[in-house]
Amino acid sequence: DARVTQTPRHKVTEMGQEVTMRCQPILGHNTVFWYRQTMMQGLELLAYFRNRAPLDDSGMPKDRFSAEMPDATLATLKIQPSEPRDSAVYFCASGHHGQTLYGYTFGSGTRLTVV
Amino acid sequence: RKEVEQDPGPFNVPEGATVAFNCTYSNSASQSFFWYRQDCRKEPKLLMSVYSSGNEDGRFTAQLNRASQYISLLIRDSKLSDSATYLCVVVSSGDKIIFGKGTRLHILP
Repeated sequence: DARVTQTPRHKVTEMGQEVTMRCQPILGHNTVFWYRQTMMQGLELLAYFRNRAPLDDSGMPKDRFSAEMPDATLATLKIQPSEPRDSAVYFCASGHHGQTLYGYTFGSGTRLTVV
Repeated sequence: RKEVEQDPGPFNVPEGATVAFNCTYSNSASQSFFWYRQDCRKEPKLLMSVYSSGNEDGRFTAQLNRASQYISLLIRDSKLSDSATYLCVVVSSGDKIIFGKGTRLHILP
């Protein structure tokens, strides 16, 4: 089965440090999403890309978060500087625009803890 | 009004019973709808798409009511393995995917 690969699976870091999370979407998918999940807020859309171009990053705190797609096989989400309130599970998902009936596939997530 | 709203539950249902969840959405221009399932500490996984005419997949039935802007999920003959959080998903015309916060379901033996 094709899968979305996220690294690292777990990350513990100190407040103020830079954190980079990576996502390899399914080959051929042209839409990539970044979500954050906490118990209180559920799944929040941070940003999404189509054909590597950012379409919407309104859900992302711009002062410390940045999302990019350097190429079609890699999406990154960076937090600099990290804060304890950023502790959450960060999911990447990919899909193909125009084939939305097939839904979107999620990676296993990066569990981030900022201490 | 939130974009996608669900009853958080939990729904505690005996094994073999039928259970139904609803989800309301605020954007009347929304184009696609899904139900996802999420197990504890796992990623969400697609359960089923929701078609305008309603659709069934085994014990699961999904319905869409555009006039009232809600979708529903019915689970018949519930199994212990159905215990999970069920997420309602609404997709806008721009492919923006919005998730509800989920409904927790506990199937009791």
